[in-house]
Amino acid sequence: QSALTQPASVSGSPGQSITISCTRTSSDVGSYNLISWYQQHPGKAPKLLIYEITKRPSGVSNRFSGSKSGNTASLTISGLQGEDEADYHCCSYAGSGPLFGTGTKVTVL
Amino acid sequence: QVQLVESGGGVVQPGRSLRLSCVASEFTFSAYAMHWVRQAPDKGLEWVAVISYDGSNKYYADAVKGRFTISKDNSKNTLYLQMNSLRADDTAIYYCARDFLLSAFDIWGQGTPVTVSS
Repeated sequence: QSALTQPASVSGSPGQSITISCTRTSSDVGSYNLISWYQQHPGKAPKLLIYEITKRPSGVSNRFSGSKSGNTASLTISGLQGEDEADYHCCSYAGSGPLFGTGTKVTVL
Repeated sequence: QVQLVESGGGVVQPGRSLRLSCVASEFTFSAYAMHWVRQAPDKGLEWVAVISYDGSNKYYADAVKGRFTISKDNSKNTLYLQMNSLRADDTAIYYCARDFLLSAFDIWGQGTPVTVSS
């Protein structure tokens, strides 16, 4: 079972907005609304940023937003800050269990 | 605060077994399904297994089915992962995570490393 495809890296300058995509076949991302996003700093555990495509848990900055169009889910980080430099992972509920993306490294220039 | 703490990782030879534990605190452990998720060195996250809140239902990734067993002891607030017939490609950091709405994971432990090597 192949993973959800994310770009290996995305970069941006402080204050800019960046978008990370997460693409799979229609049997996964396109058919379910149970898509979540995680931020992971080096050597740390992942942190939930977005669930059910667009919802933010309490305490997560509103600079993080999620969306979905067809077979592609996206995470947008607005007003990029140095602390946003981290790895980002998408996750979609597949028929046989949760499926994670390949991961994206975000660099703040 | 709400917390998960894993233990039990280490270096083990191929074919041997290892049991991981994850102790939960400051939430009603018996009310939640729980997962194990792993991350191989410099790789992405990989879901391993899930157990329902009462332990009655368990599901596994194909890569570990038949070799790994997930269980939970609600009286001890502890989640387990029994790993048998370990292989080199099982080398990873293993995280326990609390289920949130079937595929989101809202609380994570700090991870415990497992290295399978001769």
